[in-house]
Amino acid sequence: DAKTTQPTSMDCAEGRAANLPCNHSTISGNEYVYWYRQIHSQGPQYIIHGLKNNETNEMASLIITEDRKSSTLILPHATLRDTAVYYCIVRGGFSSGSARQLTFGSGTQLTVLP
Amino acid sequence: ETGVTQTPRHLVMGMTNKKSLKCEQHLGHNAMYWYKQSAKKPLELMFVYSLEERVENNSVPSRFSPECPNSSHLFLHLHTLQPEDSALYLCASSPKPGQSNTGELFFGEGSRLTVL
Repeated sequence: DAKTTQPTSMDCAEGRAANLPCNHSTISGNEYVYWYRQIHSQGPQYIIHGLKNNETNEMASLIITEDRKSSTLILPHATLRDTAVYYCIVRGGFSSGSARQLTFGSGTQLTVLP
Repeated sequence: ETGVTQTPRHLVMGMTNKKSLKCEQHLGHNAMYWYKQSAKKPLELMFVYSLEERVENNSVPSRFSPECPNSSHLFLHLHTLQPEDSALYLCASSPKPGQSNTGELFFGEGSRLTVL
């Protein structure tokens, strides 16, 4: 699986958009970009994933560059409860019957400030 | 609530004790996982079970022994642990390929283990 690079930490003002970057320059054509987050001392939570196109759901938006070598997770209106470690993970597609191991890196500690 | 329940949430044990961590999922998933998260370290995958068969064991010491009696339950049996085994142990599950191919893992809240 391709390696990802994320900033160690970021701050964001409450109510503003939080933009979390991720570099994955060695990503291959069949690998997806996943984002999870982990609030302190809880289990990680799935946020969003994408392959080529930009994606949006009720939690966030994912912008993937045209060359797919980087992506940005956008939390449109950050709240204090969004303070967490955000993980960007690149993983190949899942064939029928396979388990879905994901390898977590160190992630970005996002702190939303009041 | 993710549908993955771990018990106990906190456990303190001595190095000579034998204890077990339990994980239960009510999501109809067919794969379950144990991850370890030590202080200030990334999550480390320990074991993977798919259709109740162990498919991965990431060089975990034998003092950790997993058990998956059915697709809804996963145990991690602990014996003669060391203080460096103190960590947050996270269980996760994932859907059958026909249900979802998105690669989502659903995590429990974790069991915080302290070895004295």
